[in-house]
Amino acid sequence: QVHLAESGGGVVQPGRSLRLSCTASGFAFSDYAMHWVRQAPGKAPDWVAVISYDGRNIYYAESVKGRFTISRDNSKNTFYLQMNSLTSEDTAVYYCAREDYSGSYVYWGQGTLVAVSS
Amino acid sequence: DIQMTQSPSSLSASVGDRVTITCQASQDITNSVNWYQQKAGKAPNLLIYEAYNLEPGVPSRFRGSRFGAEFTLTISSLQPEDFATYYCQQYENVPSTFGQGTRLEIK
Repeated sequence: QVHLAESGGGVVQPGRSLRLSCTASGFAFSDYAMHWVRQAPGKAPDWVAVISYDGRNIYYAESVKGRFTISRDNSKNTFYLQMNSLTSEDTAVYYCAREDYSGSYVYWGQGTLVAVSS
Repeated sequence: DIQMTQSPSSLSASVGDRVTITCQASQDITNSVNWYQQKAGKAPNLLIYEAYNLEPGVPSRFRGSRFGAEFTLTISSLQPEDFATYYCQQYENVPSTFGQGTRLEIK
């Protein structure tokens, strides 16, 4: 069965960096675009970034452009989110998700909490 | 960016009630809307894709519809497990954007 597992979250000071990983299993990872979606406490989900199946096409939310970098390693069934210059506005649960039909997210990870605090 | 204005933000209802949640898109987005249910501490769960289509395994009491730039999610007869938060999502353009959410509570 499809499984996505995030790792790398934690508490970090403002201005510091963190790298999230999402490891996939149960499907042909290299066939799918993958997304990061975050959700601040009590707020709606907020799309962060997408990487195409082959890594050639990448898009970011304006709020993270220039600070965050999405990448993938299809040989490891894993994709990443490098987050630099973190601020309190980046505090959220970060989910990885597979892009399915009609732009939907059928499969999500369990989420990893990133808390930016001094 | 396309904005999705979702209403109401909260709703109290009873088991067996029919409820409707609405998302108004800031521009025409054809049928490019999905609906999710989220329970506390869990990732969102897809209910409806492409405005009208029921995700396999989702009960038929959930129905999606569209009238112009207005999208609705209707639950025809609320069950105890339906009390949760609901979100719409548009995927017409990057960035995909979500509505603000509707918290459905037991009356």
